[in-house]
Amino acid sequence: DAGVTQSPTHLIKTRGQQVTLRCSPKSGHDTVSWYQQALGQGPQFIFQYYEEEERQRGNFPDRFSGHQFPNYSSELNVNALLLGDSALYLCASSFTNYEQYFGPGTRLTVT
Amino acid sequence: GDSVTQMEGPVTLSEEAFLTINCTYTATGYPSLFWYVQYPGEGLQLLLKATKADDKGSNKGFEATYRKETTSFHLEKGSVQVSDSAVYFCALSSGGSNYKLTFGKGTLLTVNP
Repeated sequence: DAGVTQSPTHLIKTRGQQVTLRCSPKSGHDTVSWYQQALGQGPQFIFQYYEEEERQRGNFPDRFSGHQFPNYSSELNVNALLLGDSALYLCASSFTNYEQYFGPGTRLTVT
Repeated sequence: GDSVTQMEGPVTLSEEAFLTINCTYTATGYPSLFWYVQYPGEGLQLLLKATKADDKGSNKGFEATYRKETTSFHLEKGSVQVSDSAVYFCALSSGGSNYKLTFGKGTLLTVNP
């Protein structure tokens, strides 16, 4: 049984560019959450998707947007990248309100 | 709002030493509490959890007890191994759901042989 998978593993972008990160949830899971983990910090909640709708959102600007597809996979989009967006982006999946399982993350570097 | 405070790291121990990592929280209502572990280059793995006061979560020799009166959820292990070296995160979810996890800053544990 594959766990949560994320792509790409690493990504380097330039300030002002746009980026799309992808997540495939664990089999049987229908909910996907995204977190940003800056170096040396704990993960910060960005948003959560359920039934293709954004169910809850953390304190992140509108530059951060997402999408969930009918097969429950999800994308995180970040527009107008800033240096401060450099971080590890973690995807977590769950079955409705049950415990969240995390993927290995995508390391984004903005130069 | 919700918040989690963990003891500052790094923590360095010798193999077979006793481990305590302190965690206190602020939350509305009755949160669920978690400990996650992050090994180098990997994502987070759920280590243990507790969903109500006085519950004890345990896994792989680690334990933590949900103390509502002191708003704490301290992680303990009686005898650490080199393989326990990792970053440990205390987290909570509140509002009766698991929608959003609020994490502490993490504590780096290094165990020397």
